[in-house]
Amino acid sequence: DAMVIQNPRYQVTQFGKPVTLSCSQTLNHNVMYWYQQKSSQAPKLLFHYYDKDFNNEADTPDNFQSRRPNTSFCFLDIRSPGLGDAAMYLCATSRDRGLAGRNIQYFGAGTRLSVL
Amino acid sequence: SQELEQSPQSLIVQEGKNLTINCTSSKTLYGLYWYKQKYGEGLIFLMMLQKGGEEKSHEKITAKLDEKKQQSSLHITASQPSHAGIYLCGADIVASNTGKLIFGQGTTLQVKP
Repeated sequence: DAMVIQNPRYQVTQFGKPVTLSCSQTLNHNVMYWYQQKSSQAPKLLFHYYDKDFNNEADTPDNFQSRRPNTSFCFLDIRSPGLGDAAMYLCATSRDRGLAGRNIQYFGAGTRLSVL
Repeated sequence: SQELEQSPQSLIVQEGKNLTINCTSSKTLYGLYWYKQKYGEGLIFLMMLQKGGEEKSHEKITAKLDEKKQQSSLHITASQPSHAGIYLCGADIVASNTGKLIFGQGTTLQVKP
């Protein structure tokens, strides 16, 4: 029944060791988003894909990259994780970007990343 | 400062009591979304409001967007332990949708049986 699936749910990596988080969707939505959420903070958008078009947020560090090989899958790559990158990473999808106020985003359960 | 401010930050209520959570923006809200998050999990979509004065209800939860479209409230009637969690408001604050939502920091709700 799950529509936006994130794997793994928990990921432990070592300082500086590259890590990849995965997101898949069965909704056939055009847009996929990656958010970072630190403890007791609001989710912060890192970037999104509108179909194959990649849209990076201005303040997203270069350490964070993303790939969308097809409509269903999107990956978040952290090239050299630092201690400050420990957070919950949330993937979301929406049917389109459309007009403001009609952009329901559906979220996965998240991947909690720990950096040792 | 936060573009979206939620109040209160946390709330503890007795089961059966009503409660209200507010979400205030310094900019016009072109769309307002309420989500619920359980600790350590993803966000579950509750309701979307678009028009000033709009009100929507689902089960015991009612959300309103004020006429000036800069504030929304989420009201829970006769709260139950299942209502416990973190409630987040998210907003489109740009008329031409870039796909970006701004989120409030969340309101943590505990319901005591």
